[in-house]
Amino acid sequence: KQEVTQIPAALSVPEGENLVLNCSFTDSAIYNLQWFRQDPGKGLTSLLLIQSSQREQTSGRLNASLDKSSGRSTLYIAASQPGDSATYLCAVSMIYNQGGKLIFGQGTELSVKP
Amino acid sequence: SQTIHQWPATLVQPVGSPLSLECTVEGTSNPNLYWYRQAAGRGLQLLFYSVGIGQISSEVPQNLSASRPQDRQFILSSKKLLLSDSGFYLCAAAGGYIEYTFGSGTRLTVV
Repeated sequence: KQEVTQIPAALSVPEGENLVLNCSFTDSAIYNLQWFRQDPGKGLTSLLLIQSSQREQTSGRLNASLDKSSGRSTLYIAASQPGDSATYLCAVSMIYNQGGKLIFGQGTELSVKP
Repeated sequence: SQTIHQWPATLVQPVGSPLSLECTVEGTSNPNLYWYRQAAGRGLQLLFYSVGIGQISSEVPQNLSASRPQDRQFILSSKKLLLSDSGFYLCAAAGGYIEYTFGSGTRLTVV
């Protein structure tokens, strides 16, 4: 059974700092991995999608990497801003799962202090 | 790109009352559709998914049911709500198992 773990559970950094959020998964038979952002009381916003054949994806100040063999993904945020404060969730879909279900980690709650 | 419309945004219902939450999708055909629940904290639990009209798969036994009467419409229902049904309900869609899009969610409080 796939398990997704995110470390740390919470992170507080000063504005301008570069930071890394970690995601690990126990079963490497993934179809893709997706990073989401969730603001308090809101839905999920997709940030980056990495398909299993890819190593990384970039969007603006965000860079996500995937190492399928070691079961790890990282989300790198450059030059953090107070507006980046939110909960970040990683999720995987499995090759063998009917319906393409997403399995989520518990999230990392990020606070960027001005 | 696909857009998810989900309503209502908040709902307060008494124990024992019925429930109907609706989700509609724009911008894609024949998407896979999902209902997730997020309890206190951050964990998301998959409740139901659908790969086509009338096709519903349940992930966990519970007091809820789902239906998909049209290609881009997904409904979450209950005949009698329990206190434990309180939570944040999210509808999601994915085309071809690729990128997922989530709705803005419904905050349900059962009193």
